[in-house]
Amino acid sequence: EVVLTQSPGTLSLSPGDRATLSCRASQSVDSYLAWYQQKPGQAPRLVIYNASNRATGIPARFSGSGSGTDFTLTISSLDPEDFAVYYCQQRSTWPPGYTFGQGTKLEIK
Amino acid sequence: QMQLQESGPGLVKPSETLSLTCNVSGGSTSTSGYYWGWVRQPPGKGLEWIGGINYSGSTYFNPSLKSRVSMSIDTSKNQFFLKVTSVTAADTALYFCAREVLYTYYDSSGYQDLWGRGTLVTVSS
Repeated sequence: EVVLTQSPGTLSLSPGDRATLSCRASQSVDSYLAWYQQKPGQAPRLVIYNASNRATGIPARFSGSGSGTDFTLTISSLDPEDFAVYYCQQRSTWPPGYTFGQGTKLEIK
Repeated sequence: QMQLQESGPGLVKPSETLSLTCNVSGGSTSTSGYYWGWVRQPPGKGLEWIGGINYSGSTYFNPSLKSRVSMSIDTSKNQFFLKVTSVTAADTALYFCAREVLYTYYDSSGYQDLWGRGTLVTVSS
């Protein structure tokens, strides 16, 4: 089973700052990695799929990169609405299914 | 615009069966290219994928839950269902239904692009 490790656990930044969130897989997942944003009391929202593709309606300040075992979600200039918990997720073909990272909390400094 | 909405009992007794429904509006569950799945989140914790089902009834489950989980779908009503048997306090969680972009369950590319708001299920006597 692939284990996803996200870092840092908490990231404290100010609006306008650049945010860099990391997700490392215990073995290669090619480019089959997604990122989700979750705000308190809300469902997760797809941000990035297949490592670098922005989901519908996601602002251009969000970008994803990486392949294999190391992935990054970058928010170029933080908007107050971006402060949330971010999860990475990988898609496995055997056994088929998904696993999530433990999450990175992006909080206002 | 498609929306998903979970429903079901908010309280289930230990050893009993948890049953949830996801109602899909603004679209069809009969469309190929999608699975319809469930994800749960214990209070204050992270996300755990439970399983998925497609329009033809093909299912696949998280191996850690497979022995206790079943899913079904009613495409005529645009609903799909989750059952978890022999529940314990560890099954207390916010349960989300979600649409998976996935053609077959053995595809390499897949992700959840639409989510319901979630329903809290507490397991307690």
